[in-house]
Amino acid sequence: IAGITQAPTSQILAAGRRMTLRCTQDMRHNAMYWYRQDLGLGLRLIHYSNTAGTTGKGEVPDGYSVSRANTDDFPLTLASAVPSQTSVYFCASRGGETDTQYFGPGTRLTVL
Amino acid sequence: GQNIDQPTEMTATEGAIVQINCTYQTSGFNGLFWYQQHAGEAPTFLSYNVLDGLEEKGRFSSFLSRSKGYSYLLLKELQMKDSASYLCAVRDVSMKNRDDKIIFGKGTRLHILP
Repeated sequence: IAGITQAPTSQILAAGRRMTLRCTQDMRHNAMYWYRQDLGLGLRLIHYSNTAGTTGKGEVPDGYSVSRANTDDFPLTLASAVPSQTSVYFCASRGGETDTQYFGPGTRLTVL
Repeated sequence: GQNIDQPTEMTATEGAIVQINCTYQTSGFNGLFWYQQHAGEAPTFLSYNVLDGLEEKGRFSSFLSRSKGYSYLLLKELQMKDSASYLCAVRDVSMKNRDDKIIFGKGTRLHILP
């Protein structure tokens, strides 16, 4: 793989179910981010990690958790999904010579 | 906290020039990004300004004034494919704990007319 990947591409989920969105990068970037994007609200930061082993809360962290066991992976977990978590989720990593932030292709999640 | 403002929508004509403004307020400013996002796709990187001044990259240029909390993205010789949303984002580094976040504005939807 080259760059940053997310899985699944899309998912329909019943309310109350647990769900983990996966994100993997192969650029050895230290920083990784999870955003959700909703119409009219733009990209909102859920959680971030500046380096493996550390995480931080963004603007809208409630109902979500993350872990960063290694440099490459940054999964996002919804412990008990609710309909308001219906959104498009983007994972991103930042690093390299220009310190640029790169985005994954996104996961479209629908909670019914 | 952080606050990033940009216009919701703009319209311009093919071949013309358009300037998209972004103002921000943040306590630990450490750079400003511009991204392009086509409908249904992920954002793609356009520019990153850390120091004051103009950065030119082909048809696109980005300007930053840190003292005014202001940036703009300038698009020249507009093409129909430039119809997209343009996202302004600020890198905010906390002086207290060195937390390093990137926060986005709501984006500006640019419509190009033939």
